[in-house]
Amino acid sequence: GENVEQHPSTLSVQEGDSAVIKCTYSDSASNYFPWYKQELGKRPQLIIDIRSNVGEKKDQRIAVTLNKTAKHFSLHITETQPEDSAVYFCAARINRDDKIIFGKGTRLHILP
Amino acid sequence: GAVVSQHPSWVICKSGTSVKIECRSLDFQATTMFWYRQFPKQSLMLMATSNEGSKATYEQGVEKDKFLINHASLTLSTLTVTSAHPEDSSFYICRLAGVDNEQFFGPGTRLTVL
Repeated sequence: GENVEQHPSTLSVQEGDSAVIKCTYSDSASNYFPWYKQELGKRPQLIIDIRSNVGEKKDQRIAVTLNKTAKHFSLHITETQPEDSAVYFCAARINRDDKIIFGKGTRLHILP
Repeated sequence: GAVVSQHPSWVICKSGTSVKIECRSLDFQATTMFWYRQFPKQSLMLMATSNEGSKATYEQGVEKDKFLINHASLTLSTLTVTSAHPEDSSFYICRLAGVDNEQFFGPGTRLTVL
């Protein structure tokens, strides 16, 4: 089955700097890669996603890149703000069964 | 997005009892529902997949006789944790999926087994 690896597990960046979280996946049949932000005790919130026919997608301060050949995808957050502090999960979905498999998460701390 | 609810939002029970968790969509018909659990400071782990009117498909390592899933309609799925034990204490979240690849998470249910 699909396996998603995520790094780093924790990340501290100065407010205003950029944060990058990287993931790899194992199943070449995966074709949809969502990123979620989760605050304590809450459901995961979709912040951006990318499909396998696209290499990059941007939404304001958030961007995601996908390298299908290497099975890598990354989340980039620019001009970080205190409210960006949360746990971020990457995930991969295999279209044939619609399962979404999550990475282990990255705890992002934005330092004042 | 769709309005998805889970009931109860939190529950505390004694070891050995069974707990039923409902995942309900108010305005979205889900062809498939997924159940995840999340232990503290860990990721969401997929437990099972269910389609309306069919038996659920469980992930490796998840006991189907312990975690009973009933997908009675396109808007309701239930997860029953039978004979719950402290190690079953977790955050249980449902995810609904539609025919056009829409997906919505429930708000989660925190189960604490004493």
